[in-house]
Amino acid sequence: EIVLTQSPATLSLSPGERATLSCRASQSISTNLAWYQQKPGQAPRLLIYDASNRATGIPARFSGSGSGTDFTLTISSLEPEDFAVYFCQQRGNWPPYTFGQGTKLEIK
Amino acid sequence: QVRLQESGPGLVKPSETLSLTCTVSGGSITSYYWNWIRQSPGRGLEWIGYIYSSGSTNYNPSLKSRVTISLDTSKNQFSLKLKSVTAADTAVYYCARVPVHVGTGHPGWLDPWGQGTLVTVSS
Repeated sequence: EIVLTQSPATLSLSPGERATLSCRASQSISTNLAWYQQKPGQAPRLLIYDASNRATGIPARFSGSGSGTDFTLTISSLEPEDFAVYFCQQRGNWPPYTFGQGTKLEIK
Repeated sequence: QVRLQESGPGLVKPSETLSLTCTVSGGSITSYYWNWIRQSPGRGLEWIGYIYSSGSTNYNPSLKSRVTISLDTSKNQFSLKLKSVTAADTAVYYCARVPVHVGTGHPGWLDPWGQGTLVTVSS
């Protein structure tokens, strides 16, 4: 089973700043990675799929990059509504789909 | 647009069977993979399994012996049964749709998700 490790666990930033979140896979998964955003009391929402493609309706300030074992989610300029928990998920070697443990993006 | 809604008991006794249903509205159940995922503070997000609209299933090996996912196309619903539950099965349970991935023909990504339902296992 592929293990996804996200860092940092918590990221404290201010609105307008740039956020960089990392996800590392225990073995190569090509570009078979997605990023999800989860706000309190809500279900996760797909942001990025196939490592770098924005899902429908996702603002351009969200971007994804990486392949193999190292992936990055970048939010270019944080809006107040972006403070949430972010998860990565792989479908490169499954079953099962696996998820990272999450990065909490909080307001500084 | 398509919406998913989970329903079922919020409290299940240890050793009994957890049963949940996901109702799909605003779209067809055909040609998609229909998934169950759960989330708990201790285990994080955990994929449980899926059923394709043809009826084929795939389960997480860690849960395979206890899980059954079924489909009722006439009601646009799919269901989860998890038997012999313990406190470790306490979680928020989500259903989610997965399209066929264009590039590979395999299951793609989880989108959208239902709002989730909390199931507590306790006597």
